[in-house]
Amino acid sequence: DTAVSQTPKYLVTQMGNDKSIKCEQNLGHDTMYWYKQDSKKFLKIMFSYNNKELIINETVPNRFSPKSPDKAHLNLHINSLELGDSAVYFCASSQGLAGVYGEQFFGPGTRLTVL
Amino acid sequence: AQTVTQSQPEMSVQEAETVTLSCTYDTSESDYYLFWYKQPPSRQMILVIRQEAYKQQNATENRFSVNFQKAAKSFSLKISDSQLGDAAMYFCAYRPNAGNMLTFGGGTRLMVKP
Repeated sequence: DTAVSQTPKYLVTQMGNDKSIKCEQNLGHDTMYWYKQDSKKFLKIMFSYNNKELIINETVPNRFSPKSPDKAHLNLHINSLELGDSAVYFCASSQGLAGVYGEQFFGPGTRLTVL
Repeated sequence: AQTVTQSQPEMSVQEAETVTLSCTYDTSESDYYLFWYKQPPSRQMILVIRQEAYKQQNATENRFSVNFQKAAKSFSLKISDSQLGDAAMYFCAYRPNAGNMLTFGGGTRLMVKP
């Protein structure tokens, strides 16, 4: 069974479109994250949700809107897509806001290409 | 703000040999955690090893070990008996004890030659 899953794995779309990426975890974790990995492989956190509440919101354009319908899901909606949004987006989850290890389990990533 | 620096964009090692990947970080915190993640071509991020800053003993996981130098803010990863499957991007990451935000370094691409 996949611990953290994302759909779709690949997404190709035109500039100006609106798209969503879905994430689900079956680990029973209460904290979920979105990361962006750019073309140079640099990974940066975008959002963090704990028990469906927004905890971290890094400097991300407000075209990006995360939505957490329940603790097991954190979806990412992107409006008015731009070329610079092309990247790999990773979802992750962990148990708690901190903890002894705070290990984050990552999904397989969604490669978004904006044409 | 915390920063994590990996000064080696690429490294190469012969199969069965040992390689060390470097990582330095900057923080004013005294309690934190450090991680090494592996990202193979499949893109999956896999946790390789973790280190609690309050522990002086270096973490070890099979062929993977770290050299944690807290005063120098250095956290290098040693891979012994390198295997072809070790070829991947390796990311060093930092997390403060009181927070859940991971800060990643820029990554090191490791190539393993047969």
